Amino acid sequence: QQPVQSPQAVILREGEDAVINCSSSKALYSVHWYRQKHGEAPVFLMILLKGGEQKGHDKISASFNEKKQQSSLYLTASQLSYSGTYFCGTLHMDSNYQLIWGAGTKLIIKP
Amino acid sequence: NAGVTQTPKFQVLKTGQSMTLQCAQDMNHEYMSWYRQDPGMGLRLIHYSVGAGITDQGEVPNGYNVSRSTTEDFPLRLLSAAPSQTSVYFCASSTSSGANVLTFGAGSRLTVL
Repeated sequence: QQPVQSPQAVILREGEDAVINCSSSKALYSVHWYRQKHGEAPVFLMILLKGGEQKGHDKISASFNEKKQQSSLYLTASQLSYSGTYFCGTLHMDSNYQLIWGAGTKLIIKP
Repeated sequence: NAGVTQTPKFQVLKTGQSMTLQCAQDMNHEYMSWYRQDPGMGLRLIHYSVGAGITDQGEVPNGYNVSRSTTEDFPLRLLSAAPSQTSVYFCASSTSSGANVLTFGAGSRLTVL
């Protein structure tokens, strides 16, 4: 079952904050976040493990809510370089060590 | 420091033609995989391999074949191309499984007429 990402798209001004959510209908073992710029390959951002701590990467951080089966990606004081499509990949106990990917959230940062 | 190299970058085929998308990595990764990416659908796993001589099907394997004769190479074969196979294809590798950090190739855009 594909995880649901929300919102589908968001437009921000440089310096504003954004939150991207990734929800699963199945129990999560871990959530993986990647960013893909237009015409390029997806690039790894971070992994959130069940029972693990909130992770951070520069001004991008993420949380994992085991009870809600949800992860949220926080982009603080967004920069133009944050533009792109953000994908979450979810890992479940029965998924044979393969991620199931969300449809993506397109983030546009305007100056 | 090449990482994951995919060729060709662009390809146009006619329905029924066959072709091979090449993928090579120089990181000594055991795990390699192929995804297709279609608008609004994210990444869907086609086939994957956890080591030389070992391959398995992913979510959307029909119409595609793979083999893994060396650790470095993982080609994807389209046996008889169909318009539904028009997509962007990504090869990815990691140290041991799809649950580790994935390094993606630059992608191959395939159009089937």
